[in-house]
Amino acid sequence: TQLLEQSPQFLSIQEGENLTVYCNSSSVFSSLQWYRQEPGEGPVLLVTVVTGGEVKKLKRLTFQFGDARKDSSLHITAAQPGDTGLYLCAGAFMDTGRRALTFGSGTRLQVQP
Amino acid sequence: GAGVSQSPSNKVTEKGKDVELRCDPISGHTALYWYRQSLGQGLEFLIYFQGNSAPDKSGLPSDRFSAERTGGSVSTLTIQRTQQEDSAVYLCASSQDRVVNEQFFGPGTRLTVL
Repeated sequence: TQLLEQSPQFLSIQEGENLTVYCNSSSVFSSLQWYRQEPGEGPVLLVTVVTGGEVKKLKRLTFQFGDARKDSSLHITAAQPGDTGLYLCAGAFMDTGRRALTFGSGTRLQVQP
Repeated sequence: GAGVSQSPSNKVTEKGKDVELRCDPISGHTALYWYRQSLGQGLEFLIYFQGNSAPDKSGLPSDRFSAERTGGSVSTLTIQRTQQEDSAVYLCASSQDRVVNEQFFGPGTRLTVL
């Protein structure tokens, strides 16, 4: 069973601070996605990374995919209260060809004004 | 519709009763997924439909769970003889099932079994 570990589980920071969330596995991903979920809603896709070493930016969010495609990180610069939510990474594992995504347990971010 | 829709948004039922949850995927999306999310946690895969292929049922936790997809569009997840541990948010997602599988989620159905 492939596992996808996400850390930290909880993060409470002040507005303006920077933070990084990590997503790791012992298996190789064919692709990896980051989602953000707010209470009472389904996850919303933020980004998909496919190529090892890839870096993508979405405003103040920077996503990196590890060279070996086994890990990824999400960095938020100058966090805002609107960034509050549950951040989920989800991967499609290369060796199974399984179409369903395997999700991490999530990082719950609280940004205090 | 513009996005994935699910109904009902909330369902409260008594232990032992059967429930049906509905999902309308994005028009044109050939793949449909059901996931389950316990309070504040990640998502647990349940079942996957792709076109006319046999569904991938490998995530269903017991034989009390079943799902069907009629006409390649709407899907219904049925839970028979509900148990308290079935309480969770049930999420549906759809995708175009390309090589890079980007999934789009509905708002979920919150199921509470008393």
